[in-house]
Amino acid sequence: GAVVSQHPSWVICKSGTSVKIECRSLDFQATTMFWYRQFPKQSLMLMATSNEGSKATYEQGVEKDKFLINHASLTLSTLTVTSAHPEDSSFYICSARDSLKLPFEQFFGPGTRLTVL
Amino acid sequence: AQSVTQLDSQVPVFEEAPVELRCNYSSSVSVYLFWYVQYPNQGLQLLLKYLSGSTLVKGINGFEAEFNKSQTSFHLRKPSVHISDTAEYFCAVSGQNSNYQLIWGAGTKLIIKP
Repeated sequence: GAVVSQHPSWVICKSGTSVKIECRSLDFQATTMFWYRQFPKQSLMLMATSNEGSKATYEQGVEKDKFLINHASLTLSTLTVTSAHPEDSSFYICSARDSLKLPFEQFFGPGTRLTVL
Repeated sequence: AQSVTQLDSQVPVFEEAPVELRCNYSSSVSVYLFWYVQYPNQGLQLLLKYLSGSTLVKGINGFEAEFNKSQTSFHLRKPSVHISDTAEYFCAVSGQNSNYQLIWGAGTKLIIKP
């Protein structure tokens, strides 16, 4: 149980275009989802936290107009990188938790590698 | 505020030798502790977790960790490593005072030498 999927697993796009990444919880209700960014050889950096039906809470230094997060249902959250630039190239990982049943445990997706040309 | 320190950025070890990856944390409240493994170009996989109860926690792939409250440590061990254990290992802590957000260590790269 507790499977989280991400789509796509990798994407290449041109500078200036927008890219949408989906994160789905397959067998549980994800009341809270998290979006992380990971640079090469570094740890995970939390970008934002989203609760189903609410606006996402962004970490300091993360541009909310650039990284649009939508968590409209209990099984789906999306991250849209708008007007992507080469510096946005990174590994993006989502995680999800059922905050009512298991508030202290997150389940991670396999990640999406974004390359902006 | 909570923080996690992984003292070693890289740990080289010979195949079939034992290994210990160190993790120390700071927190003023009770915490939950996790070890995750990340294989090259892949996502995170939970190795093991300490929530409560026995301080010795056994995980997947033969790994185990011991929660030591007095030393605020949660070191990861394996008695005999294999080449397939080559990966990045992350220690993380969460607690009620941070709304259970995961606070991450910087990671330790385990390098297995043949």
